[in-house]
Amino acid sequence: KQEVTQIPAALSVPEGENLVLNCSFTDSAIYNLQWFRQDPGKGLTSLLLIQSSQREQTSGRLNASLDKSSGRSTLYIAASQPGDSATYLCAVRKAAGNKLTFGGGTRVLVKP
Amino acid sequence: GAVVSQHPSRVICKSGTSVKIECRSLDFQATTMFWYRQFPKQSLMLMATSNEGSKATYEQGVEKDKFLINHASLTLSTLTVTSAHPEDSSFYICSAISYGRALNEQFFGPGTRLTVL
Repeated sequence: KQEVTQIPAALSVPEGENLVLNCSFTDSAIYNLQWFRQDPGKGLTSLLLIQSSQREQTSGRLNASLDKSSGRSTLYIAASQPGDSATYLCAVRKAAGNKLTFGGGTRVLVKP
Repeated sequence: GAVVSQHPSRVICKSGTSVKIECRSLDFQATTMFWYRQFPKQSLMLMATSNEGSKATYEQGVEKDKFLINHASLTLSTLTVTSAHPEDSSFYICSAISYGRALNEQFFGPGTRLTVL
């Protein structure tokens, strides 16, 4: 059974510092991995999607890497801003059309 | 990214009533939709998966007679909480993917806050 872990559970950084969020999964046989952001009381916003054949994806200040063999993904957020404060969730999909398995999330606070 | 809407965004009801939540994919055809619930400060819990035109597949421990799911079209799925009780109070989020879109990217609705008095 796939298990997804995100450490740390919470993170607080001063504005301008780079953020590094970790995600690990136990079964390396994945179809894709997705990073989401969730603001309090809101739904999830898709940030980046990495296919199993890819090693990284970039969007603006965000960069996500994937090391399937070691069961790890890392989300980097450059030059953090207070608006980046949110909970970040990673999730993996075993096969096309299958459900996502979520990590517990990392709650990020960027202090001005 | 694609847009998924939910209605209503918030509902308060008396115990024993039924509540229907709609989930729509606005700019794509959703071959598969998912329903989640989320308790405060916890991650999402998948309730069921539905494919258009077929019965939903429920996760273990989720009562299918209590949480009725109808995926009648490629753009609409509904979740009905029947005879709601206070313990059903939660944040319900729907999500959708489309095989027609590359990569199986999954998009989420804004959620519905259900409060049962």
